[in-house]
Amino acid sequence: EIVLTQSPGTLSLSPGERATLSCRASQSVSSSYLAWYQQKPGQAPRLLIYGASRRATGIPDRFSGSGSGTDFTLTISRLEPEDFAVYYCQQYGSSPFTFGPGTKVDIK
Amino acid sequence: QVQLVESGGGLVKPGGSLRLSCAASGFTFSDYYMSWIRQAPGKGLEWVSYISSTSSSYTNYADSVKGRFTISRDNAKNSLDLQMNSLRAEDTAVYYCARVAEGGAFDIWGQGTMVTVSS
Repeated sequence: EIVLTQSPGTLSLSPGERATLSCRASQSVSSSYLAWYQQKPGQAPRLLIYGASRRATGIPDRFSGSGSGTDFTLTISRLEPEDFAVYYCQQYGSSPFTFGPGTKVDIK
Repeated sequence: QVQLVESGGGLVKPGGSLRLSCAASGFTFSDYYMSWIRQAPGKGLEWVSYISSTSSSYTNYADSVKGRFTISRDNAKNSLDLQMNSLRAEDTAVYYCARVAEGGAFDIWGQGTMVTVSS
């Protein structure tokens, strides 16, 4: 099973700042089958990034993903008020399809 | 619009059974793999199961539910089910159904249905 570790656990930032979230895998994620999701309280997760770097439909270009192998990054270039949420990475290259524990981005 | 709506959650005693359903609309259901993902209260996301798109219906399960849960689908009715048997307290969670995009990520999610296993 591929274990995903996310850091930091919590990121306290102000609107307009840049957010950099890390996801590290215990073994290489095949074909960059790595996704990022955003979840707000009481809501279902929303797909932001798939294939490590491809934005899902309707996702603003302030969200970007990068990385390969075991190290991946989600960057939010300038935080908008609606971006404060929990972010999960997930690998879907090998079963079981595992999620990271999440990074909470909250308002400083 | 593209939509998934889960139903069937509720309170069940340990050892009991429950059947969840997910109604799909706004897309060609039979073209897509589908999956169930759960989230225990205050915790992260856990993939539970997926099923292939065709009538041959290849399935896969997380070890934590293998042998107890069964995923199925009815493409004629645009519906996805999860039969949950021998339920345990640790199965308590919000259960989401999700569409598996062509690349494999979960691109459409339902609003979730809560399952509580407690005596």
